[in-house]
Amino acid sequence: NAGVTQTPKFQVLKTGQSMTLQCAQDMNHNSMYWYRQDPGMGLRLIYYSASEGTTDKGEVPNGYNVSRLNKREFSLRLESAAPSQTSVYFCASIPSSVYTEAFFGQGTRLTVV
Amino acid sequence: QKEVEQNSGPLSVPEGAIASLNCTYSDRGSQSFFWYRQYSGKSPELIMSIYSNGDKEDGRFTAQLNKASQYVSLLIRDSQPSDSATYLCAVKPGRRALTFGSGTRLQVQP
Repeated sequence: NAGVTQTPKFQVLKTGQSMTLQCAQDMNHNSMYWYRQDPGMGLRLIYYSASEGTTDKGEVPNGYNVSRLNKREFSLRLESAAPSQTSVYFCASIPSSVYTEAFFGQGTRLTVV
Repeated sequence: QKEVEQNSGPLSVPEGAIASLNCTYSDRGSQSFFWYRQYSGKSPELIMSIYSNGDKEDGRFTAQLNKASQYVSLLIRDSQPSDSATYLCAVKPGRRALTFGSGTRLQVQP
């Protein structure tokens, strides 16, 4: 049982390059989230998908796009990477009920130079 | 005002003492409350969840919720050096997205 799987684990980009971070969950959860974590900032929500076919902006959506490809997969795309997007990115999934916790992937450490 | 606020610390306690971590939230409609522990370079892991007013105990951990004061706390009894980590408070306001505080760094001194 893999849970939540993120790829890649590490990535270095040059300013202006694009890339897609992949996330897949095998727990049949409805909701999936993308967070970024910077030193001393906790987890800040970028985008989330409450169910297949829906996506909503979070606290820091600028510079990102997302796709909920199907119930299992939720990808995050950086169209033109900037040094300010250097961060650790976490994907999480949550069952649809209010009363349950988030399950996290192992994170992607992204550096933009 | 941030939705979920925590003191960033570091909170330093001696081994064997009680560590007390606090969190306040702004949305009165919040229904679910969580404490996550995060070691450096790792993903957050759930240690406690609480949904109703009062205390909830699990081993050395006790979560306390006071919805009237919009306050959640985590007590760690008999603190161990292995408890040294960042503790993240998370709040889920109904159908809105799970929101995290900035975390409190705990240091347990041997």
